[in-house]
Amino acid sequence: NAGVTQTPKFQVLKTGQSMTLQCAQDMNHEYMSWYRQDPGMGLRLIHYSVGAGITDQGEVPNGYNVSRSTTEDFPLRLLSAAPSQTSVYFCASSGTGGASYGYTFGSGTRLTVV
Amino acid sequence: EDQVTQSPEALRLQEGESSSLNCSYTVSGLRGLFWYRQDPGKGPEFLFTLYSAGEEKEKERLKATLTKKESFLHITAPKPEDSATYLCAVQAGYSSASKIIFGSGTRLSIRP
Repeated sequence: NAGVTQTPKFQVLKTGQSMTLQCAQDMNHEYMSWYRQDPGMGLRLIHYSVGAGITDQGEVPNGYNVSRSTTEDFPLRLLSAAPSQTSVYFCASSGTGGASYGYTFGSGTRLTVV
Repeated sequence: EDQVTQSPEALRLQEGESSSLNCSYTVSGLRGLFWYRQDPGKGPEFLFTLYSAGEEKEKERLKATLTKKESFLHITAPKPEDSATYLCAVQAGYSSASKIIFGSGTRLSIRP
């Protein structure tokens, strides 16, 4: 049972490049979210999904796209990377009932945009 | 706008010295309030969910309480291994599909 798997763990991008951060879970969780964590700012919600085919925006969605074609996968796409997107990105999932039973988090992707 | 504020930003305690962390929130209907622990370089780890004012949850040296405006995480006789960042989060609204937002956390350091 792997839980929530994020790839890659580290990435360096040049300004303007695009990339996809991968997130997969094997717990059959309906609810999945992407957060970014910056020093002193806690976790900020980017996008979330309550099931396959359903996504919604969080607090800081600009510059990011998501899709949810399967229950297991929830990739995060950076369309044109900017230095302001340098951050640690966490994917999280939760079972039926939303996050009332607590999220399971991945180990994070540390992204640097130069 | 829904908001979560945690205080203090950082707290240094001596081993065995009990204290409390605060999480104040402003939401349009609280569905749940959550506490997480985060160790450096790792993702947050779930601790508790509280649903209504007056509710309490305990786990080892940690006890979480909830009022209509804030939650406290009480740490009794802490040990160095309790050193971590503690995060508070809330789910607002009346649907399990509503989003969850986090506070900025409290960095707790326990000296031996």
